[in-house]
Amino acid sequence: EAGVAQSPRYKIIEKRQSVAFWCNPISGHATLYWYQQILGQGPKLLIQFQNNGVVDDSQLPKDRFSAERLKGVDSTLKIQPAKLEDSAVYLCASSLDIGAVSTEAFFGQGTRLTVV
Amino acid sequence: QQQVKQSPQSLIVQKGGIPIINCAYENTAFDYFPWYQQFPGKGPALLIAIRPDVSEKKEGRFTISFNKSAKQFSLHIMDSQPGDSATYFCAAGDNYGQNFVFGPGTRLSVLP
Repeated sequence: EAGVAQSPRYKIIEKRQSVAFWCNPISGHATLYWYQQILGQGPKLLIQFQNNGVVDDSQLPKDRFSAERLKGVDSTLKIQPAKLEDSAVYLCASSLDIGAVSTEAFFGQGTRLTVV
Repeated sequence: QQQVKQSPQSLIVQKGGIPIINCAYENTAFDYFPWYQQFPGKGPALLIAIRPDVSEKKEGRFTISFNKSAKQFSLHIMDSQPGDSATYFCAAGDNYGQNFVFGPGTRLSVLP
């Protein structure tokens, strides 16, 4: 079974530039999560989708971050404009379904963003 | 109330030792408690998880102990090996996969 795919693996941008990350979840997984992991900290949920609908985006800085999952499969996370404090690893995860017996979330390898 | 506290921040044990990592939560709506293992450059991977209807769960060398009244849970790694050296995160969520929050992590080093 293929895992969660993310690209790019690394990205370096200057502050005030924009950047986009892509995620392809495990086939059949209805729930998709984007997490931000700052160095030395635990992952922090940014947004959670159930199919193509948003379940929770309460911690997404909506003035600069946006995410979409138009067809209920792939997802993109965008930052515009980026700030220095956005430097982190952005993790995508997917799980079978909210309310399923197993709520295990499978993570991708992440995209390491450095804002200079 | 959404926070999950985790200690210690880092831990060093000798091979064969039994490292113990502790977590505490406040939100009584949480009823799913997984532990994730993360190696450098990789995403977290589920190690073991427990629901509050049991007080202990074992999978191989990994054991979760759960104390519902104290709102605490812990991970024990039996006969630890150098390959167990990684960062361990506890997490908590509700039964419907929502409000899923991670602890700050524990960096474990197992010396040969």
